[in-house]
Amino acid sequence: GEDVEQSLFLSVREGDSSVINCTYTDSSSTYLYWYKQEPGAGLQLLTYIFSNMDMKQDQRLTVLLNKKDKHLSLRIADTQTGDSAIYFCAPTTGGGNKLTFGTGTQLKVEL
Amino acid sequence: DTAVSQTPKYLVTQMGNDKSIKCEQNLGHDTMYWYKQDSKKFLKIMFSYNNKELIINETVPNRFSPKSPDKAHLNLHINSLELGDSAVYFCASSQDAGGGQPQHFGDGTRLSIL
Repeated sequence: GEDVEQSLFLSVREGDSSVINCTYTDSSSTYLYWYKQEPGAGLQLLTYIFSNMDMKQDQRLTVLLNKKDKHLSLRIADTQTGDSAIYFCAPTTGGGNKLTFGTGTQLKVEL
Repeated sequence: DTAVSQTPKYLVTQMGNDKSIKCEQNLGHDTMYWYKQDSKKFLKIMFSYNNKELIINETVPNRFSPKSPDKAHLNLHINSLELGDSAVYFCASSQDAGGGQPQHFGDGTRLSIL
């Protein structure tokens, strides 16, 4: 099955850029999603990218995809304290809409 | 006007009991899902239904039985609850089961087994 890995923690200062990385193993992943989870809450869809693209920008968010290396990243520009949360990478597997979630990266934004 | 709503939000019960969690979506979606998030925040899919038909059934103990009475509802019944069932259970829905249809999540049901 698909393995999806993320680093567990990232700490940045307010106003800096954050880059959260994700590696996956299933080369047939067609869509790759990023979700945000705040404490005690559900998962909020942030953005996603189709596998034939290598970059997608959505306001402060930039997604980069290196399909050859099976590496996905999420860049958050001008990181704010409200961005503190767990971020999950979730590629589709098996050709349909089944998601395999990464281990999650806890982002802490310091003043 | 919550899009995906789950009840109850919290469930505390004893080992060996049987309990149900309900999920409803008002997005007009065809596909619904159940996920389990453990204490380390690891999220794994359990089941998916498309238009009331089971399409994903991961390796889950058969004490867990999903039921979809209609497209807008997906319930999860758990028999003979065990300590390891303590987790947060998330319901989600998407337009259909094809790729590229983002999944929208509920706020979760926090199940604690005593």
